[in-house]
Amino acid sequence: GAGVSQSPRYKVAKRGQDVALRCDPISGHVSLFWYQQALGQGPEFLTYFQNEAQLDKSGLPSDRFFAERPEGSVSTLKIQRTQQEDSAVYLCASQGLSEKLFFGSGTQLSVL
Amino acid sequence: AQRVTQPEKLLSVFKGAPVELKCNYSYSGSPELFWYVQYSRQRLQLLLRHISRESIKGFTADLNKGETSFHLKKPFAQEEDSAMYYCALSGGNTGGFKTIFGAGTRLFVKA
Repeated sequence: GAGVSQSPRYKVAKRGQDVALRCDPISGHVSLFWYQQALGQGPEFLTYFQNEAQLDKSGLPSDRFFAERPEGSVSTLKIQRTQQEDSAVYLCASQGLSEKLFFGSGTQLSVL
Repeated sequence: AQRVTQPEKLLSVFKGAPVELKCNYSYSGSPELFWYVQYSRQRLQLLLRHISRESIKGFTADLNKGETSFHLKKPFAQEEDSAMYYCALSGGNTGGFKTIFGAGTRLFVKA
């Protein structure tokens, strides 16, 4: 594809519901990152993949957050038993040979 | 610990005036520094990186290791420069691959 694609664009969840956010990176990009961006803040690192290997998950805020990239391409960020504090924009970015990050449009999650 | 600080949440200047968006960082190794920009209704995108030493859309940024700063400058601001600007730091191959971001500065260029 032309760029990083994320779906859904918007997600409204009831507190306690599980959600799954999808990221389709640029074809051939080895590295994939997930960020959480709260209102008025910069993107906060969540986790990083190199191909299918999750090399860094130090930013995941709790064990309710889980990410996978089983075939080294599409990635899914799953949040179990969502809480109101999980409301944010979730950004996915992929990276090729340079350090430059290519971002998706994000998924805006609202937990009611 | 790695940290990026952007002290100004909002910067408002008149068209044609010089602009400087401040960025300070904390990192124990040799980081790579970036400026990312997000225009209204667009996705976050790279503006420039210190290693390239280039000028993009009239913007430049110089890495000052002594002051641990990477301020973004433009001599004459344009209305189309109005956007959200994020300073970012990466540890590169030796310091970890993740890129961390500052809280951002909203630049508003008035006509």
